[in-house]
Amino acid sequence: DAEITQSPRHKITETGRQVTLACHQTWNHNNMFWYRQDLGHGLRLIHYSYGVHDTNKGEVSDGYSVSRSNTEDLPLTLESAASSQTSVYFCASSGSTGGNGELFFGEGSRLTVL
Amino acid sequence: AQSVTQLGSHVSVSEGALVLLRCNYSSSVPPYLFWYVQYPNQGLQLLLKYTSAATLVKGINGFEAEFKKSETSFHLTKPSAHMSDAAEYFCAVSRGTDKLIFGTGTRLQVFP
Repeated sequence: DAEITQSPRHKITETGRQVTLACHQTWNHNNMFWYRQDLGHGLRLIHYSYGVHDTNKGEVSDGYSVSRSNTEDLPLTLESAASSQTSVYFCASSGSTGGNGELFFGEGSRLTVL
Repeated sequence: AQSVTQLGSHVSVSEGALVLLRCNYSSSVPPYLFWYVQYPNQGLQLLLKYTSAATLVKGINGFEAEFKKSETSFHLTKPSAHMSDAAEYFCAVSRGTDKLIFGTGTRLQVFP
């Protein structure tokens, strides 16, 4: 079965370190998204991509970057981790072009920055 | 800018009671609207979606939602709650892309 997987599922790091969260999907979806989930804020969009070599900033993109070198993967990088980036991160993908499609979510990566 | 507001961060009901989770949207043009559910330690999954067809939308697990343009609402309902419905529910909006804007979520508790 097709799926979307995130790794690591849990990570503890220190302030200032670079962290990369991996996201891999096997649906061959063009659209991929990274959200962060925080209490009281719901899910907020960090970055998204509509295809290979396409990346776009979401509403909370400061301190994060992504790159899309193939269809299957959209890694999220925190260049210099900050305590404010402690959160649960979700990757999602979709295959539609008209906005009425279903997003398929990974199980999340819980990041703690000390 | 489009957004959604979910009234009530926590809702508690008894098993068998009506479930009503509220969502209001703001958008200058008719939006696409979604309800997603998140079970503990899992990602989100789609419950139902409105994409300008029928205003009453039926989803999985007995949930339904009605799009009311005059009230800018898309409330989620289920006639009879089950213990397995306990989860967090998110309303979301888009305007023709899959870039969803989510509400802050409502945690549903179901008591026996």
